[in-house]
Amino acid sequence: AQSVTQLDSQVPVFEEAPVELRCNYSSSVSVYLFWYVQYPNQGLQLLLKYLSGSTLVKGINGFEAEFNKSQTSFHLRKPSVHISDTAEYFCAVSALDDKIIFGKGTRLHILP
Amino acid sequence: DAGITQSPRHKVTETGTPVTLRCHQTENHRYMYWYRQDPGHGLRLIHYSYGVKDTDKGEVSDGYSVSRSKTEDFLLTLESATSSQTSVYFCAIKDSGSKYNEQFFGPGTRLTVL
Repeated sequence: AQSVTQLDSQVPVFEEAPVELRCNYSSSVSVYLFWYVQYPNQGLQLLLKYLSGSTLVKGINGFEAEFNKSQTSFHLRKPSVHISDTAEYFCAVSALDDKIIFGKGTRLHILP
Repeated sequence: DAGITQSPRHKVTETGTPVTLRCHQTENHRYMYWYRQDPGHGLRLIHYSYGVKDTDKGEVSDGYSVSRSKTEDFLLTLESATSSQTSVYFCAIKDSGSKYNEQFFGPGTRLTVL
């Protein structure tokens, strides 16, 4: 079975500062990895995805994530955040089946 | 835009009453999912469907039933709503044309059970 751990429930960061949201997963098989973003009072939107290939994946809105197989991590990063990045971010994992397992989410608070 | 709509978007009901939530998609995707979102729990799978009349249970299926009589509609029913079912419910589809298995989500239904 797969599982996902998001290590921080909330992350405050000043506007224009860099941010890293941490995600670790466990699985005995190859997995797909995802980051989703949920803006206030909205549904989830796919930010980026990874299956294989280059370990650095670029997504929308300037976000990128790095896959680290040895550490079973898939951390999300952005070099400079904006107030519009205020949202909850979910890391997710899917084995080669029909389901996705979500982490519990990390709330990103942008401080002026 | 994956063409997913949910209805109603908001509902307040009383304990013990039946409630049905509807998910509608316009792109003929085979797989559809129902999740609930609660603070501190992220998203948890309730039920999913892999075709018309083909459904299976998820992680938190107790107290919920589903039906899928047409490809485009996936219904979630709470036979007798309880306060513990107060939540935000999301429907999702799996992009059948993608190798990544990613899912796309509807806008959600906020359900309050008094």
